[in-house]
Amino acid sequence: KAGVTQTPRYLIKTRGQQVTLSCSPISGHRSVSWYQQTPGQGLQFLFEYFSETQRNKGNFPGRFSGRQFSNSRSEMNVSTLELGDSALYLCASSLGRSGTSRNEQFFGPGTRLTVL
Amino acid sequence: DAKTTQPPSMDCAEGRAANLPCNHSTISGNEYVYWYRQIHSQGPQYIIHGLKNNETNEMASLIITEDRKSSTLILPHATLRDTAVYYCIVRPKETSGSRLTFGEGTQLTVNP
Repeated sequence: KAGVTQTPRYLIKTRGQQVTLSCSPISGHRSVSWYQQTPGQGLQFLFEYFSETQRNKGNFPGRFSGRQFSNSRSEMNVSTLELGDSALYLCASSLGRSGTSRNEQFFGPGTRLTVL
Repeated sequence: DAKTTQPPSMDCAEGRAANLPCNHSTISGNEYVYWYRQIHSQGPQYIIHGLKNNETNEMASLIITEDRKSSTLILPHATLRDTAVYYCIVRPKETSGSRLTFGEGTQLTVNP
């Protein structure tokens, strides 16, 4: 079974630009979560999508948005990039079932975004 | 989700058991203990989880104290490839969504 894939793997942008990152979950997984990882803040939850609906949202400004398509693939968008948005952006997929402990998340390799 | 406390770093000799502790003294009765690890520059990887019974899988064993206020992840025969940051996370089973709250974790270094 193929793992979680993220594209692109590396990206360089300048301040003020916008960026779109893509995530393809494991086949059969309906939940896709996004995380931001920086040296200063660690791993922080951005949002989760399940069946094309945002189910959970972290504490990030509105410049960060996402969506999920009917095939469970997800994209996240960051508008008006700031230097502090430089980070590793990780996508994770899971079955997304509620009321069960067996909801392990499978992470992709991440997209390394550098904002200049 | 309950807060966890882990030592920032640990060392282990290759071939020996690595015992990684986690304190979760405020854990609730419906919260599970999960362990993930992150090898440098890769995405985190699920290792194991448990509620109150000890658990074992092909990667590791999880020992949870009877009062559930702490746990230990055991890698029985550590290899150099086990060098990673290990995260202990507690979260309720009865929760909507897959959100994980990561702390700072423990940097495990396995030495030859």
